[in-house]
Parts: sequence; C-alpha cells; structure tokens
Amino acid sequence: DTEVTQTPKHLVMGMTNKKSLKCEQHMGHRAMYWYKQKAKKPPELMFVYSYEKLSINESVPSRFSPECPNSSLLNLHLHALQPEDSALYLCASSQVMPGGETQYFGPGTRLLVL
Amino acid sequence: KNEVEQSPQNLTAQEGEFITINCSYSVGISALHWLQQHPGGGIVSLFMLSSGKKKHGRLIATINIQEKHSSLHITASHPRDSAVYICAVGQGAQKLVFGQGTRLTINP
Repeated sequence: DTEVTQTPKHLVMGMTNKKSLKCEQHMGHRAMYWYKQKAKKPPELMFVYSYEKLSINESVPSRFSPECPNSSLLNLHLHALQPEDSALYLCASSQVMPGGETQYFGPGTRLLVL
Repeated sequence: KNEVEQSPQNLTAQEGEFITINCSYSVGISALHWLQQHPGGGIVSLFMLSSGKKKHGRLIATINIQEKHSSLHITASHPRDSAVYICAVGQGAQKLVFGQGTRLTINP
C-alpha cells in the first residue's frame, strides 16, 4: 500500500463551525505533514510530526490544531476559521532519514470557509 | 528574492518536443525534489536527488551542486505530461522549500 488517503475530499464550513480533516497512511512512515495550498501557489508547510511528536510548527494560527493519535493517522482540527483559510489542505508522509526522504502526498481536502 | 527560483513560469509546447524546466536555489540543501501536480490537486514525487542525474522513463533530472542548479527534462512530450512541475529543496530532514512551479501545457 503506497497511498496516503485524506477525508473528506471537499468541506464547506461556516466561521463558527468545528470540523476535522483526516489523513491516513499504512506505509510505515514515521513523519507526517500538513500543507496548505492556495490557488496557483506552491504548498506551504504547516506542521510536521515525527514519531508522533510535533517537530515543526510554522507559526500557524491556533485555530488550526494538529493531532497525531498513532503512527498511521494525522488529524487537523479546525475551529473559528476565516474565509482566507479556504484552500487545498494536503497531507504527506515519509520515512525519517537524516538527509530527507521522498514525501508521498494525499489527494487533498478542498476547504471552503463561508 | 525567493530561495528557490524556477523558470520558465509557464511553458507551452507541441507534442513530441523536448522540454526543460530549470530550478536555481540559494540555500544549503540536503536534497532537491521534483514534484508533479495535476489539475485537481494530487502531487506526485518524481525525483529526489542530491548529486548527478536520475532517469525514470521519459523524465530526466540533473543537479549541479556547485552551481546550485537543477533541471528537469521531458523527452518526447505528450499531452498527459501537462501539469505543474514544482522544484523543492530539502532543508534538514523534513522541511521542504518550494519553488513557484512551472505550468506546462503540451498541445497535441
């Protein structure tokens, strides 16, 4: 299984809603990532988990809350988002190697905040 | 100035043409990655390289560490190669810094 899955594919939420994005991989990867991508822009790194511990937080607003319950699962909890948070949210995973490793990306969740 | 610069930003070519996309970077890297993103969002990793040259099918990636430059070549281009190609440099084990992408369109 060389796949990273993400659910839901699409999400529409109001600014007062609470929702969660889910990411799953069964490749035995111990690093997992959340990226945000706006239209016609490259992905921006949000968070990295390494061995289920948060290792990188790129100064993301607290309305985004990541969680890594086990080595296969990564969640992104959303609360009180703003319309400018509308974007494609990509999850990725990789092995943990000193020189870096190939990242495997999921198909993304397209989020619209009204 | 971005740490990773790609050129061209947009490229349109006819089917069968040889394609070259360039990437220059200004920071120390652990590795350089070439990624492909089709409309709809999915990103596929094409290559990770830290020296020399790699080939996979019709795709070839090269890197010159001294000149801080990499190229992605596509031979015998096909309309299905139409996508955004992104160069990203690894900083440390897990952080990638992305270029702005090159939008490639191959016309039949």
